[in-house]
Amino acid sequence: SQQGEEDPQALSIQEGENATMNCSYKTSINNLQWYRQNSGRGLVHLILIRSNEREKHSGRLRVTLDTSKKSSSLLITASRAADTASYFCAPDPPGNKLTFGGGTRVLVKP
Amino acid sequence: DGGITQSPKYLFRKEGQNVTLSCEQNLNHDAMYWYRQDPGQGLRLIYYSQIVNDFQKGDIAEGYSVSREKKESFPLTVTSAQKNPTAFYLCASSIDPRLDQPQHFGDGTRLSIL
Repeated sequence: SQQGEEDPQALSIQEGENATMNCSYKTSINNLQWYRQNSGRGLVHLILIRSNEREKHSGRLRVTLDTSKKSSSLLITASRAADTASYFCAPDPPGNKLTFGGGTRVLVKP
Repeated sequence: DGGITQSPKYLFRKEGQNVTLSCEQNLNHDAMYWYRQDPGQGLRLIYYSQIVNDFQKGDIAEGYSVSREKKESFPLTVTSAQKNPTAFYLCASSIDPRLDQPQHFGDGTRLSIL
């Protein structure tokens, strides 16, 4: 099964700044999903972008998908302390067997 | 409120002992999944079930077993054959594995060795 790989592994920003993280994957997908995990908790679904979409917005989140480069990016605008978490991308091949990379740990400093 | 409940939150296992982690969902989802997460790592798929009375091995099934006798329940047993069971275990569900739908996660069980 393929796995998403996030970059960078860690990111530290000031409150109010934007945070960008990238995801690369290896094979064809139906969709790609982004999740957030607060320390010691389960994952929370943020956004799903289908393979025929190039960009999607949800509140302060913007996700792009480039299937020709097999890559995606997640942008969090105007970050808040509550955005401190790990962020995972999950490429979704047919069959809904998501695979997760090691994530990007984001620290938003007040 | 609909959701996924995992219990217990913390679990300790003695050498040679089998332990069972509970996962219950009231979302009426067909598919359920078990993942293992090691510190600072991503999630690895242990087992998944797309329908009652059916389940499939994931990437790291050795030393684990599951059952799916009811739609809402998908317990995971960590057997004594699993030599390195210390990890954070997450259960998830989705409406229908054939659809482009997200997975919903429980809050996990942290398993440690005594």
